[in-house]
Amino acid sequence: QVQLQQSGPGLVKPSQTLSLTCAISGDSVSSNTVAWNWIRQSPSRGLEWLGRTYYRSTWYYDYAVSVKSRITINPDTSKNQFSLQLNSVTPEDTAVYYCAREGYGSGSSEWGQGTLVTVSS
Amino acid sequence: QSALTQPASVSGSPGQSITISCTGTSSDIGGYNFVSWYQQHPGKAPKLMIYDVSNRPSGVSNRFSGSKSGNTASLTISELQADDEADYYCSSYTSSTTQLFGGGTKLTVL
Repeated sequence: QVQLQQSGPGLVKPSQTLSLTCAISGDSVSSNTVAWNWIRQSPSRGLEWLGRTYYRSTWYYDYAVSVKSRITINPDTSKNQFSLQLNSVTPEDTAVYYCAREGYGSGSSEWGQGTLVTVSS
Repeated sequence: QSALTQPASVSGSPGQSITISCTGTSSDIGGYNFVSWYQQHPGKAPKLMIYDVSNRPSGVSNRFSGSKSGNTASLTISELQADDEADYYCSSYTSSTTQLFGGGTKLTVL
């Protein structure tokens, strides 16, 4: 079955870049039937979709308006994983971050274990 | 884009049925049959319960059902059980090719 394993630091300083990676087993990041998402959750903002990447003969990227100027999601086919970079973070970016596999538009059926990222000096 | 609108809480007794609503706009729920519902227990990742408005993933009980009318989607849980007590979130694809979540509904089984 498909499993997603997240890695990355749990503490990031304000104004720096948050970086997380999601390693995929049981599927390919280049699959042309699914999409790979980043989603975060905080008490103040609830569940918030951040963005996705997917491959349909070329790579596509969709990003939430709220973070569009600061976010990059990158697939890595050599390691079968995808990553999240969020620039210029503030304490408002403190949240549990999840990666997830989605049948494009059709809901995320597999999730990573979640990573609590705290933005603090 | 604003979050989809869900009631903050609902409750029901074991054996009863409850329905959770999720209201959006014609640019999301009303425009696509890409509504999904998630169950989340404390400290756990969300679990997909319904996708494409009314489809259940393999392994999800048929006590869970979904529907949509206009800009409002609904999740119905029949024959409530204690383990159904959790937070429930709706989500929809949007015309901007993004995803929106609802604010979440806390289900209490009395």
